[in-house]
Amino acid sequence: SQTIHQWPATLVQPVGSPLSLECTVEGTSNPNLYWYRQAAGRGLQLLFYSVGIGQISSEVPQNLSASRPQDRQFILSSKKLLLSDSGFYLCAWSVLAGPGQFFGPGTRLTVL
Amino acid sequence: DQQVKQNSPSLSVQEGRISILNCDYTNSMFDYFLWYKKYPAEGPTFLISISSIKDKNEDGRFTVFLNKSAKHLSLHIVPSQPGDSAVYFCAASVRAGGSYIPTFGRGTSLIVHP
Repeated sequence: SQTIHQWPATLVQPVGSPLSLECTVEGTSNPNLYWYRQAAGRGLQLLFYSVGIGQISSEVPQNLSASRPQDRQFILSSKKLLLSDSGFYLCAWSVLAGPGQFFGPGTRLTVL
Repeated sequence: DQQVKQNSPSLSVQEGRISILNCDYTNSMFDYFLWYKKYPAEGPTFLISISSIKDKNEDGRFTVFLNKSAKHLSLHIVPSQPGDSAVYFCAASVRAGGSYIPTFGRGTSLIVHP
């Protein structure tokens, strides 16, 4: 069966510090991968998606970036965090032919 | 500009009764619609979906209805159970390249009272 892992589960970082969140998927090959952010009281905002290694599409311009160094690994990064980067970050995967997505447990990021 | 809107931030229902969650969209290019359920501090879980070529899809206690002319979909839960209490997100997808790109609503918090 397929599983998706995210870490860390929670993170408190000062403004201006770097960020690296990691997501890995097991039990499937060549998944589509997604990064979302849920800010307080808001819906899910799609940040990045990837259909293959090294292929990243950005939905929202910001100080975040994403990379996919391996087929089942997706990384969300920032060189300098802003207060507005606080939120609940979710990684998700889907099969190529299907619209449904499977979400990881999420990372709660607080920028102080 | 919100392309997917869930106008009710919360809904309270008695156990055993029907829960109806509503969602409106503006983009006629959406070709798949989905509902997700989310508990606090967890990722959403996929519940049910419907293709734009259908008007109804049923899975156990969950039924999704799609009214394309009104650009409206709804999720019916019958009978409602206390374990159904969660935030429900509506999502609409367009196919772009090799992926479905979803747009999510802001969610409706459902509380089912015993």
